[in-house]
Amino acid sequence: DIQMTQSPSSLSASVGDRVTITCRASQSISNYLNWYQQKPGKAPNLLIYAASSLQSGVPSRFSGSGSGTDFTLTISSLQPEDFAVYYCQQSYGTPYTFGQGTKLEIK
Amino acid sequence: EVQLVESGGGLVQPGGSLRLSCAASGFIVSSNYMNWVRQAPGKGLEWVSVIYSGGGTYYADSVKGRFTISRHNSKNTLFLQMNSLRAEDTAVYYCANLHHGRFDHWGQGTLVTVSS
Repeated sequence: DIQMTQSPSSLSASVGDRVTITCRASQSISNYLNWYQQKPGKAPNLLIYAASSLQSGVPSRFSGSGSGTDFTLTISSLQPEDFAVYYCQQSYGTPYTFGQGTKLEIK
Repeated sequence: EVQLVESGGGLVQPGGSLRLSCAASGFIVSSNYMNWVRQAPGKGLEWVSVIYSGGGTYYADSVKGRFTISRHNSKNTLFLQMNSLRAEDTAVYYCANLHHGRFDHWGQGTLVTVSS
């Protein structure tokens, strides 16, 4: 199975900050990497697919990069509504594993 | 508009069974790769199972042999039959459509609690 490891597990930041979350796969997954945002009590919401493509309707302050085993999600200028948990997920093959999540909190 | 609505969750004793349903509208279940993903209380997301448009199925090792994914084409509904339930199966269960390699539509989730 492909293991997905996110860092950090939690992060405190302020509105307007630029933040980066990283995700590492245990083997090469090409660009089969997606990012999701989840708010309390809600289903996850797709932000970035295929490592760097912005899902329709997602603000442009979100961006993704990487290929192979190392990936990043960047939020260019944090907004109040961005404080949530973020997950990476690989779709290279089953099981379609998720990272453990990164909780983004207000400083 | 695509909509997925799960139902069937509830409280069940260890060793018991439960069947979850996911009713879809706005797209055809049988033409898509439909999945179940779960989230234990306060924990992360765990992929559970997929049924491909061709009918092939795959399961996480944690549920293999106990859970069965299926679909009813005329009802446009996805199912998850869960047998031999354990306390560690307690979670919110989401159905989600895997479209071109990404989960782009999710249901609201249904809570399964396994406890005596």
